[in-house]
Amino acid sequence: GAVVSQHPSRVICKSGTSVKIECRSLDFQATTMFWYRQFPKQSLMLMATSNEGSKATYEQGVEKDKFLINHASLTLSTLTVTSAHPEDSSFYICSARDDSVGYNEQFFGPGTRLTVL
Amino acid sequence: AQSVTQPDIHITVSEGASLELRCNYSYGATPYLFWYVQSPGQGLQLLLKYFSGDTLVQGIKGFEAEFKRSQSSFNLRKPSVHWSDAAEYFCAVVGNDMRFGAGTRLTVKP
Repeated sequence: GAVVSQHPSRVICKSGTSVKIECRSLDFQATTMFWYRQFPKQSLMLMATSNEGSKATYEQGVEKDKFLINHASLTLSTLTVTSAHPEDSSFYICSARDDSVGYNEQFFGPGTRLTVL
Repeated sequence: AQSVTQPDIHITVSEGASLELRCNYSYGATPYLFWYVQSPGQGLQLLLKYFSGDTLVQGIKGFEAEFKRSQSSFNLRKPSVHWSDAAEYFCAVVGNDMRFGAGTRLTVKP
């Protein structure tokens, strides 16, 4: 149980275009979802936290207009990188949590490798 | 907010030798603690977690970790390392959300 999927696993796009990444909880209700970013040989940095039906809460330094997060249902969150630039190339990982359970465990997706040319 | 420190950026051990990866956390309440492993280009795999109870936690692949509140530590150990254990290891602490340490890269010498 507690499986999280991401789509696509890998995407290459041209500079200036927008890219959407999907994160789905397959067998549980994800009341809270998280988006992380990981640069090569670095740790995961939390970008934003989203609750179903609410606006996302962004970490300091993360541009909310550039990284659009939608959490419209209990099983789906999307991250849209708008007007992507080469410096946005990174590994994006989502995670999901069911807040009805008594402990704060997050389940991670396999990640999406974004390359902006 | 909670934070995690992994003091060792890179560790090299010989195959068959024992391993200990250090993790120190900062959090005002009782923490939920995790260790993950990540191979190059891959996602995270959960090795083990601590929520409460027994402070020595057993995980997958022969790993264990010990929660020491007095030292704010949650060190990961394995008695005999295999070449396939070479990877990046992340310690994480959960408060309202999960925060990761910088990671420790493990190299295994034949």
